[in-house]
Amino acid sequence: DGGITQSPKYLFRKEGQNVTLSCEQNLNHDAMYWYRQDPGQGLRLIYYSQIVNDFQKGDIAEGYSVSREKKESFPLTVTSAQKNPTAFYLCASSQRGDGGELFFGEGSRLTVL
Amino acid sequence: EDQVTQSPEALRLQEGESSSLNCSYTVSGLRGLFWYRQDPGKGPEFLFTLYSAGEEKEKERLKATLTKKESFLHITAPKPEDSATYLCAVNSGGSNYKLTFGKGTLLTVNP
Repeated sequence: DGGITQSPKYLFRKEGQNVTLSCEQNLNHDAMYWYRQDPGQGLRLIYYSQIVNDFQKGDIAEGYSVSREKKESFPLTVTSAQKNPTAFYLCASSQRGDGGELFFGEGSRLTVL
Repeated sequence: EDQVTQSPEALRLQEGESSSLNCSYTVSGLRGLFWYRQDPGKGPEFLFTLYSAGEEKEKERLKATLTKKESFLHITAPKPEDSATYLCAVNSGGSNYKLTFGKGTLLTVNP
């Protein structure tokens, strides 16, 4: 079955550590996105990528980094520079690069201890 | 700056009790309005895309409508399995690749 796979589902990190969240899709979509979801807030865009080897910052990119070396993969690194990293992280993809009809993964919940 | 406001924040219905969720938006030029359903601890699931005022889309017990200022998600004779958070998002002409999401409406349908 086609879809988006995020791992790990739950992750605990100590302050000062970097952590990488995995996102893999087999939908053959060109565009991929990372969103952050916090209680009581709408989803906020961290980074997006329209094609391999190209990506752009979203609204809250500070403290995060990404890479897009393969069409299927768009990993997100939460660095120690991110001041409030505890959140639910969602990866998504879309066939077209207009950010509309998004297919989401199951999410990764990061908790900083 | 694009803005999306969803109301109510939470809605509790009895099974079979129809109602509507509201999504009010302010955008520079609407390229699309989207509805998603999100179950607890899961990623959102796409429901509908609406592009122009007057457009309607239906799926089972759900019907989405669009005006120039707002969208409604009508739920007819809901069942407990319709319980979820419903998210509204807009894509404006300002950026091709960014959706602005509302905070969502948490719907609970009691049997």
